[in-house]
Amino acid sequence: GAGVSQTPSNKVTEKGKYVELRCDPISGHTALYWYRQSLGQGPEFLIYFQGTGAADDSGLPNDRFFAVRPEGSVSTLKIQRTERGDSAVYLCASSLGDAYNEQFFGPGTRLTVL
Amino acid sequence: GQSLEQPSEVTAVEGAIVQINCTYQTSGFYGLSWYQQHDGGAPTFLSYNALDGLEETGRFSSFLSRSDSYGYLLLQELQMKDSASYFCAVAGANNLFFGTGTRLTVIP
Repeated sequence: GAGVSQTPSNKVTEKGKYVELRCDPISGHTALYWYRQSLGQGPEFLIYFQGTGAADDSGLPNDRFFAVRPEGSVSTLKIQRTERGDSAVYLCASSLGDAYNEQFFGPGTRLTVL
Repeated sequence: GQSLEQPSEVTAVEGAIVQINCTYQTSGFYGLSWYQQHDGGAPTFLSYNALDGLEETGRFSSFLSRSDSYGYLLLQELQMKDSASYFCAVAGANNLFFGTGTRLTVIP
């Protein structure tokens, strides 16, 4: 079956602009996670959805970051007033129910803020 | 807070055995997961230990000692395709906290 997909694969934007990153999880996976990964580092947790609701958003670095999952499937990560420090690979993962220990990751979106 | 320590780099010979250690400090520990990530690729799940002991999955095994806050990933019969980064990750209440990863290089 299809895995987790993310679009776009690459996004280049200018400082101060707004960006949206999309994640399409594996069908039937109720849990969805967003991470960001900088070069040489492990994935850093941002937010976790169980169904439509954000069950844990403690990893969002500040209020410029926001994510939604309105129908409990596709999710969008939104970043306002982008800064150069936001440049990273943004990874999305999904899992069955609360099997958060076994997450299936998408290929990521490489965000570059100039 | 949470912290994980694992070696930054390991080099091993094709066909050999390599062990990647992971020590952690955390509250609310539920288990230890291991993920593999090739350059430019997505992390892929390898194993999960909730209880003390060894879990074996083919050429890969993972061990956990909760009393020592320690675990390791054991890779046997190394192949060139095993060259990748390996991350241990602590499972908390509803998410994973990843270490900085160990870059494994397999040489002929």
